[in-house]
Amino acid sequence: RKEVEQDPGPFNVPEGATVAFNCTYSNSASQSFFWYRQDCRKEPKLLMSVYSSGNEDGRFTAQLNRASQYISLLIRDSKLSDSATYLCVVNGGSYIPTFGRGTSLIVHP
Amino acid sequence: GAVVSQHPSWVICKSGTSVKIECRSLDFQATTMFWYRQFPKQSLMLMATSNEGSKATYEQGVEKDKFLINHASLTLSTLTVTSAHPEDSSFYICSARSQSRDSTDTQYFGPGTRLTVL
Repeated sequence: RKEVEQDPGPFNVPEGATVAFNCTYSNSASQSFFWYRQDCRKEPKLLMSVYSSGNEDGRFTAQLNRASQYISLLIRDSKLSDSATYLCVVNGGSYIPTFGRGTSLIVHP
Repeated sequence: GAVVSQHPSWVICKSGTSVKIECRSLDFQATTMFWYRQFPKQSLMLMATSNEGSKATYEQGVEKDKFLINHASLTLSTLTVTSAHPEDSSFYICSARSQSRDSTDTQYFGPGTRLTVL
């Protein structure tokens, strides 16, 4: 089993839709969790950290479920500009980040 | 967020030459930097962990003599691809670890270096 798994997609949704991604991790000792966004041929950019209590930033909501070992990202009111690959990142006990393969999102008019 | 720069942003070289890529954390000190490689439509692959003042830790399958890493200061790590060959053509990305007051570690990425070996 891979350390961090994501559905590669692509998720193809219309503007205004709500879309959710999940990411599962295998290391129960993982300490911190993040969602990054990567546009084509660009570096990943931090979208948001994921806290145990969950956190929300505008249209984006991230949640952590330690019992089931997954994190989620919810995007409301999708915009065309949200089209990108969303990477799940998990830091284990050694703080070496492990990346998922990414989930591709395509928002169409 | 914190800023990480990478230089050069792209390079084209002949097979057999060596290429040096610099990664700098501009507004914070990074005791740990990471080097990744990404092939088209694939995920980021961690190559090595670079620790300031000590030897880098390489991931399995990454040749340390081919990919030389030097982390001489708290703001600079370099990756040298020695005797580059076409199969080394890839997108090389560095990241620097920044620790916040609540001890949460966050990775900030450089803009990447696109290497093409002819």
